[in-house]
Amino acid sequence: DTGVSQNPRHKITKRGQNVTFRCDPISEHNRLYWYRQTLGQGPEFLTYFQNEAQLEKSRLLSDRFSAERPKGSFSTLEIQRTEQGDSAMYLCASSKATGTLTSGANVLTFGAGSRLTVL
Amino acid sequence: KNEVEQSPQNLTAQEGEFITINCSYSVGISALHWLQQHPGGGIVSLFMLSSGKKKHGRLIATINIQEKHSSLHITASHPRDSAVYICAGGGADGLTFGKGTHLIIQP
Repeated sequence: DTGVSQNPRHKITKRGQNVTFRCDPISEHNRLYWYRQTLGQGPEFLTYFQNEAQLEKSRLLSDRFSAERPKGSFSTLEIQRTEQGDSAMYLCASSKATGTLTSGANVLTFGAGSRLTVL
Repeated sequence: KNEVEQSPQNLTAQEGEFITINCSYSVGISALHWLQQHPGGGIVSLFMLSSGKKKHGRLIATINIQEKHSSLHITASHPRDSAVYICAGGGADGLTFGKGTHLIIQP
């Protein structure tokens, strides 16, 4: 296992188009997180899954954004009708949740990110 | 809403200097992550701690739960330590990130 893999690494699209990013987590990790990072800012939480269940979704995630993790393994993040403000780095991270630890108390492994540029 | 404040925002130091980056966080955060982000954007998790102190090579992370404060120290700093260091607080509603500290170590 080579870690968390994200594809594509870079995506340039025109405003109004749909884009989809994929994240392949570390195989034994049951939690998967999506974050968004704009230039000069720290990452912002978007959503997370435990297995195939989407447990939390940030208010930042408008109805143009949808994330899935159909079999509890890889996840996709789709952005419909992209806007220039969607331009950012989309980061995926995974962790293995154990016992009663809260979602924030697990060691995370990050992917390299998918950079989106909306023209 | 969980909050995380980091300081300083920017730090430039000479090779060999001892570096300290500070992080304060709000009630509701049960674990503190220190992350390193290099210019290409990749993020590496350095530490996750909920109490005490952790050390890995020249990096040391401490947390004071009562004061809700954590520090990341780098001993004998080197130009390859130049990166953005991000503090993130973990709680029941996921991670809240600080804005990062941009560290430059000059030879």
